[in-house]
Amino acid sequence: GQNIDQPTEMTATEGAIVQINCTYQTSGFNGLFWYQQHAGEAPTFLSYNVLDGLEEKGRFSSFLSRSKGYSYLLLKELQMKDSASYLCAVRDPERGSTLGRLYFGRGTQLTVWP
Amino acid sequence: SAVISQKPSRDICQRGTSLTIQCQVDSQVTMMFWYRQQPGQSLTLIATANQGSEATYESGFVIDKFPISRPNLTFSTLTVSNMSPEDSSIYLCSVEWEAVYNEQFFGPGTRLTVL
Repeated sequence: GQNIDQPTEMTATEGAIVQINCTYQTSGFNGLFWYQQHAGEAPTFLSYNVLDGLEEKGRFSSFLSRSKGYSYLLLKELQMKDSASYLCAVRDPERGSTLGRLYFGRGTQLTVWP
Repeated sequence: SAVISQKPSRDICQRGTSLTIQCQVDSQVTMMFWYRQQPGQSLTLIATANQGSEATYESGFVIDKFPISRPNLTFSTLTVSNMSPEDSSIYLCSVEWEAVYNEQFFGPGTRLTVL
């Protein structure tokens, strides 16, 4: 089975840094994704990790440790518009392919206060 | 990236009826998936839409309830059959292809309310 765990809620203030953790146990693995989803909208892609280490993209960074089944999303210089749900997802690859279905965690609702 | 459209964007349906949701992509893609997002919940995979063959369903989802078609590399449909209020959700299609393996793109979603 697939088990992906992340905190339900987090709060932070504008300008701060927040780290959202994700742990996973899946039968297959070919990449971990982070998505941002504002209420009433479709998820938008933030980051992808398939190798261990840190990937930085502007204010957002994502880290992966495959041996620990662990990832985090780091958001710096928080802005009010960062208030959203952040979804961790693991890809279980199709046989003979790098592609495959995504299994999502429950999502972490981040609220940024002024 | 891909431009993905879904029709309808939203609908309100009566119990016992069926609704077919369309997903159209502006380029040929390798994989197409259908997800459901119930109110306040995360995304749950319903099935993988396979071109020219039967869809592959996840545990808890069956073809009689959620028949899926994928006649070509750019189009798929999901039907929600014999609907009940528990089927009220957002239904999203997503796509992947080998050239852009590091992202799975989502359509805008179809918001379904069943009365």
